[in-house]
Amino acid sequence: DGGITQSPKYLFRKEGQNVTLSCEQNLNHDAMYWYRQDPGQGLRLIYYSQIVNDFQKGDIAEGYSVSREKKESFPLTVTSAQKNPTAFYLCASRSGTGGNLDTQYFGPGTRLTVL
Amino acid sequence: SQELEQSPQSLIVQEGKNLTINCTSSKTLYGLYWYKQKYGEGLIFLMMLQKGGEEKSHEKITAKLDEKKQQSSLHITASQPSHAGIYLCGLRAGSYQLTFGKGTKLSVIP
Repeated sequence: DGGITQSPKYLFRKEGQNVTLSCEQNLNHDAMYWYRQDPGQGLRLIYYSQIVNDFQKGDIAEGYSVSREKKESFPLTVTSAQKNPTAFYLCASRSGTGGNLDTQYFGPGTRLTVL
Repeated sequence: SQELEQSPQSLIVQEGKNLTINCTSSKTLYGLYWYKQKYGEGLIFLMMLQKGGEEKSHEKITAKLDEKKQQSSLHITASQPSHAGIYLCGLRAGSYQLTFGKGTKLSVIP
């Protein structure tokens, strides 16, 4: 089955630690995205990548880093510089452009809690 | 300021009742997406509307795009408990990014 997987589903970390969230897709999609969702808030864009080895900052990139070494994978690292990292993180991918190809499809999410 | 405003913020309806959720934009609507989210889960794509006057339906859910009002509405007919969740609208921005509203939480009482 094609889809987007995120792991782990729940993640706990201590203050001052970096943590990496996994996002993998087998849809052969070119573009991938990372969003953050806080209670009562819409999704906010952290980083996105339109193609392998290229990525761009979104609206709230400070304290986060990404890499895009493979088309299937777009890991997100939450660094100790992120002041309020506790949130629900969602990964998405998009196949192309034009018509329904513009649609972003989402993974199941990772809930990160900083202790 | 928020580009997309959703109303109402929350909604409680009795099973079998119809309901409407609105999404109003401060920018021209072109490429408006509706998603549904169960608590603690990812977003499920419902429909995408591209131009004014467009209307799409899937099962008991209908979405419309009113270009003049810069508004999209999502209408659910004969609601069921399975319709409960958070409905989010998203607007296509530059580089095929999406800007989202804060969501409308729908509860359906049996």
